[in-house]
Amino acid sequence: AQKVTQAQTEISVVEKEDVTLDCVYETRDTTYYLFWYKQPPSGELVFLIRRNSFDEQNEISGRYSWNFQKSTSSFNFTITASQVVDSAVYFCALSGYNFNKFYFGSGTKLNVKP
Amino acid sequence: DSGVTQTPKHLITATGQRVTLRCSPRSGDLSVYWYQQSLDQGLQFLIQYYNGEERAKGNILERFSAQQFPDLHSELNLSSLELGDSALYFCASSVWDREDEQYFGPGTRLTVT
Repeated sequence: AQKVTQAQTEISVVEKEDVTLDCVYETRDTTYYLFWYKQPPSGELVFLIRRNSFDEQNEISGRYSWNFQKSTSSFNFTITASQVVDSAVYFCALSGYNFNKFYFGSGTKLNVKP
Repeated sequence: DSGVTQTPKHLITATGQRVTLRCSPRSGDLSVYWYQQSLDQGLQFLIQYYNGEERAKGNILERFSAQQFPDLHSELNLSSLELGDSALYFCASSVWDREDEQYFGPGTRLTVT
């Protein structure tokens, strides 16, 4: 069965702290995709990143970085020097090569306090 | 502004009714995706269309259907509505297929009473 677990329901940090959001997935597929999305308090969804299972290279985009480790079935997301604007719910997701199997985690709410 | 538009923004209707949600993708995007976000089920992928053809099907109920028209806009039809269908319905688009970055619309909030 495919599954995505975001064990951290809510995290609170103070601005400028680094924070890591955990994502653990389960799949029997050899080819799959992993995603992160952001949903700020305004409610819209924002696509952050897509990773395929053959590319374990870590990704960095500004203050955001992602660590993909197949050995631990994890795809963790780190925000460096967090800002109040990073406050949002963050969703991790998994899809098979065919989008027919597409699963979201339950989300982690990040509160960044000034 | 992502460039993806969804209408209407809000919709209130009664159980048993049928509604149509509309999505216009960004100019040039060929793929449209539909997602549902509800308190009970969380976020779910419903269906994807690519250049007018169904590409992938997720947790879409049989009471729901979708299509993508030649001008690439898409409609999601929800029929025999139940209270549990109350949710935020998002549409997203991407240039090509699922390999691409997706751009989301603001969503349509459906309330079934």
